Amino acid sequence: GQNIDQPTEMTATEGAIVQINCTYQTSGFNGLFWYQQHAGEAPTFLSYNVLDGLEEKGRFSSFLSRSKGYSYLLLKELQMKDSASYLCAVSAGTASKLTFGTGTRLQVTL
Amino acid sequence: EPEVTQTPSHQVTQMGQEVILRCVPISNHLYFYWYRQILGQKVEFLVSFYNNEISEKSEIFDDQFSVERPDGSNFTLKIRSTKLEDSAMYFCASSWGLGRGEQFFGPGTRLTVL
Repeated sequence: GQNIDQPTEMTATEGAIVQINCTYQTSGFNGLFWYQQHAGEAPTFLSYNVLDGLEEKGRFSSFLSRSKGYSYLLLKELQMKDSASYLCAVSAGTASKLTFGTGTRLQVTL
Repeated sequence: EPEVTQTPSHQVTQMGQEVILRCVPISNHLYFYWYRQILGQKVEFLVSFYNNEISEKSEIFDDQFSVERPDGSNFTLKIRSTKLEDSAMYFCASSWGLGRGEQFFGPGTRLTVL
């Protein structure tokens, strides 16, 4: 089976940096995705890691360590609109199905 | 920018009734998925579909569920006899390839079973 853990909630201040961690256990690993989900909406793609290291994309960066089963999403220069749930998802198996964590609800405050 | 579309956005049905949820994946994508999200819970995989057949399904996807790609553009999820616990948001997703292929999600259909 697969197990994905991430914190339930985080709070950060506008303009700050926040790191959301994700640990996972899986077999047949194809890659790790981060999605953003606003309440009542669909997940939208943020980043993808398949090799160890850091992937940077504007204000968002994601890191992967396959040996440790660990990833994090780094959000810089936080804006109020970044208040959302951030979903860590592991792609595995021949069909590359995504297994999601429970999501981290981020609240950005003034 | 191409996007996945889903209809209807909301569906209310009586327990025991059949429902069909419709999706139009992005046109050059080859892999199609259904996920569901019960209110307040995590997104759960239901089924993946490739080359006109199911490639993987979860334990949730029992005999009450079926998928079809009837005409080369639509991708449907049918629930034969709905139960109260089927109430959830159902998301369709598609990707052009496996592995690095990012899955693009549709806006979802909110299914309410009374």
